[in-house]
Amino acid sequence: DIVMTQSPDSLAVSLGERATINCKSRQSVLYSSNNRNCLAWYQQKPGQPPKLLIYWASTRASGVPDRFSGSGSGTDFTLTISRLQAEDVAVYYCQQYYTSPSTFGQGTKVEIK
Amino acid sequence: QVHLVESGGGVVQPGRSLRLSCAASGFTFSNYGMHWVRQAPGQGLEWVTFISFDGHKKDYGDSVKGRFTISRDNSEDTLYLQMNTLRAEDTAVYYCAKDGDAYTIDPPFYFDSWGQGTLVTVSS
Repeated sequence: DIVMTQSPDSLAVSLGERATINCKSRQSVLYSSNNRNCLAWYQQKPGQPPKLLIYWASTRASGVPDRFSGSGSGTDFTLTISRLQAEDVAVYYCQQYYTSPSTFGQGTKVEIK
Repeated sequence: QVHLVESGGGVVQPGRSLRLSCAASGFTFSNYGMHWVRQAPGQGLEWVTFISFDGHKKDYGDSVKGRFTISRDNSEDTLYLQMNTLRAEDTAVYYCAKDGDAYTIDPPFYFDSWGQGTLVTVSS
């Protein structure tokens, strides 16, 4: 199985400031058929299911605000929230979907400082 | 608007069985692969199983292989998860999730819509 490791486990950011979450995979998740990385980011608020934010490492899902962006390639990826809003308080998970079983990072909790 | 509604969760004794359902609406169910993903209390996400759009391809995580069976009824737009020989470590919220792309039968899959989940508690 591909192990996904996120850092940090939690972070506190002031409103309007940048939040950065890192995700590292034990092996490359680059899909040769389309030269894209099989990496997604999900946001989970308390008591709610996960919500897809980013797929193919950098493509925003429908309706996701443009303050959320994804970057990276191969084994190292980043989710950036450019200007943190109160409604962004949540746990964020990365997921590799390159191979079965699909695996998730342990989650990063984002709070307001 | 995609809508996925899970049902069938509850409290069950170790070794017993339970069947979960996921009613789908708002999209052409028969065109998309579907998954079950679970989340133990206070823990992260674990992919459990996948079924292709036509039901012919299935895949399972090692922790449930041989005990859980995924199926679907495309005439009823419903996904199922039959869980046998349940263990305490199967206690979790079970989410059904929809594939991001139509007609996929092999990875890569990402999940673009999720249900609200149903809680399964395995306890004596």
